[in-house]
This record gives sequence, C-alpha cells and structure tokens, in this order.
Amino acid sequence: DARVTQTPRHKVTEMGQEVTMRCQPILGHNTVFWYRQTMMQGLELLAYFRNRAPLDDSGMPKDRFSAEMPDATLATLKIQPSEPRDSAVYFCASGLVGGVAKNIQYFGAGTRLSVL
Amino acid sequence: KQEVTQIPAALSVPEGENLVLNCSFTDSAIYNLQWFRQDPGKGLTSLLLIQSSQREQTSGRLNASLDKSSGRSTLYIAASQPGDSATYLCALPLGSGNTPLVFGKGTRLSVIA
Repeated sequence: DARVTQTPRHKVTEMGQEVTMRCQPILGHNTVFWYRQTMMQGLELLAYFRNRAPLDDSGMPKDRFSAEMPDATLATLKIQPSEPRDSAVYFCASGLVGGVAKNIQYFGAGTRLSVL
Repeated sequence: KQEVTQIPAALSVPEGENLVLNCSFTDSAIYNLQWFRQDPGKGLTSLLLIQSSQREQTSGRLNASLDKSSGRSTLYIAASQPGDSATYLCALPLGSGNTPLVFGKGTRLSVIA
C-alpha cells in the first residue's frame, strides 16, 4: 500500500531550536510538495520540487526555513531557529506529472509542530 | 490570484440526510478542481477530481459538480452516515500538470446518528 511517510508525527520544541521534518514520497513520484496548515490561514504552500529540483519556495520565510531533496526518496524541511508562530501541521504530498494519475497529490499524515 | 471560499465553515446534519457542500473560486480559468477529505489528526485524501472540461464526477454516494462560468463547485453527499464526519476541502491547481494547490478553508461536517 503506497503512501507518503512523514516523520516525526509530533514535535514539541523550544523557541530557538532547530527542527527537521522528513518526508518519504511514494516511490516513483517525481513531484513533492510541502504545505503548512493553521487554523487561521488554512493550507498554504511552502515549497515544491520536481525531479528533486526546487521549483517554488516563495511561501517559505527564507531566513529560517529551508527545504531540500537529498535524493528521490527523501525530502526535508528545516526550521532554524524555530519560533512560536511556526506552530502548525506540516504536510508533505507527492504526485506524478503525466500519466493516468496526473494532478492527484497524495498527502502524508503530517507533522504537528509545537514551538513553546 | 486564485482565491477559494467554502461555505458553510461547519455543518451538522442527522444521519441519512442528503447534503451539499459549496466551493467558490475567483478565477474561472482553471485546469481542474479537487475535493479532499481530512479526518482529525490525519492527512488529506482525494475524493474526486473534476477536469475543467467536465461538469460532474461521481464516486459512490459522492457527486461533485463544476460550473466554471459562475466559479462554483458543489459536493453532494447522499444518505449521509456518521462515518462521513470529517472536514471537506476543495482545491484548485495553480497551473497545468501536478502543480501546487490553492485550498479553501474547508467545511467541517458532523453527521449525527
């Protein structure tokens, strides 16, 4: 049963600490998205990659957030230093461009981050 | 810039009732529209995807319609069940192919047994 796997599922940290979230996309998917969900703003795009190359990271605060794909099976989202306003649920999604299943994004279960 | 609005924000209905969830969008030049379901503490599950050339899509008790000219989509749920309780989100891609989605804030549905 192919799925997007995110770790950790929950993270509580103190302000100023570094946070790293990981995502394993579905094998064979060539597009990976990072979204953030808050009560106030809903779901918003942070960054996305195609074939491991970043296409858009305009949704991320550049001074503290960074997103990478070290290889096709791993995407990471880092926050350094973290702030209380970063508290949210961070979702990773993957999908394909082209083919029957195009345009469908498959979401992981999310990482719930609390910054104290 | 595409903006997506979902009304109502929350809805409570008795089991067995048919219901309609609404989604409106500001830019009618769309490629497709998706409806997702989100259970508490879980990720999003795609329910239906309607291409811009289609008027509706059906899956079991779910029927989604699309009216591009008026910037509206509806999700019809027939014979609602307590297991349908979840948040339903509609989303539109920024471009063709698998591109980032712009989401509404969702409608939280409670089906009371």
